[in-house]
Amino acid sequence: DGGITQSPKYLFRKEGQNVTLSCEQNLNHDAMYWYRQDPGQGLRLIYYSQIVNDFQKGDIAEGYSVSREKKESFPLTVTSAQKNPTAFYLCASRPFRDTKNTEAFFGQGTRLTVV
Amino acid sequence: QKEVEQDPGPLSVPEGAIVSLNCTYSNSAFQYFMWYRQYSRKGPELLMYTYSSGNKEDGRFTAQVDKSSKYISLFIRDSQPSDSATYLCAMRANFGNEKLTFGTGTRLTIIP
Repeated sequence: DGGITQSPKYLFRKEGQNVTLSCEQNLNHDAMYWYRQDPGQGLRLIYYSQIVNDFQKGDIAEGYSVSREKKESFPLTVTSAQKNPTAFYLCASRPFRDTKNTEAFFGQGTRLTVV
Repeated sequence: QKEVEQDPGPLSVPEGAIVSLNCTYSNSAFQYFMWYRQYSRKGPELLMYTYSSGNKEDGRFTAQVDKSSKYISLFIRDSQPSDSATYLCAMRANFGNEKLTFGTGTRLTIIP
């Protein structure tokens, strides 16, 4: 079955550590996104990538980094510079040359907690 | 002021009732309007997609867009307990514009 797989589902990080969240898709989609979801704030865009080896900052990129070495994969690293990393992280994808009714498909999310 | 405002609820209605969920927005450039459903601890799933003003119906769900009032709605008919979830509205200005702007979500509970 085609879809977006995020791993791990739950992740615990100590203060000062970097952690990497995985996002893999087998939908052959060009564009991939990372969102952060906090209670009462909706989804906010961290980074997005329209093609391999290219990515753009979203609204809240500080303290995060990404890479896009393969079309299928868009890992997100939460660095120690991110002051409040505890949140629910969502990865999404869609075809770059979009057609109607093919908006972003979301993964099941990774819940990151700083301990 | 946020670009998209959505009442967070919670909203509780009895099974079988008609549910009305709403968002208002301030950016007149928004042209594409989406509703997502998100179950607890899951990723959002796309329910409805509407371009510009008008209505769109899909089964028990109807999406309405009134661009003159900057107001969008999602109606759920014959509500079921399985409709209990958080509903997120989202909007985008241009077809090629990658950024979706989301509302904060409304938490809905259907009481059997």
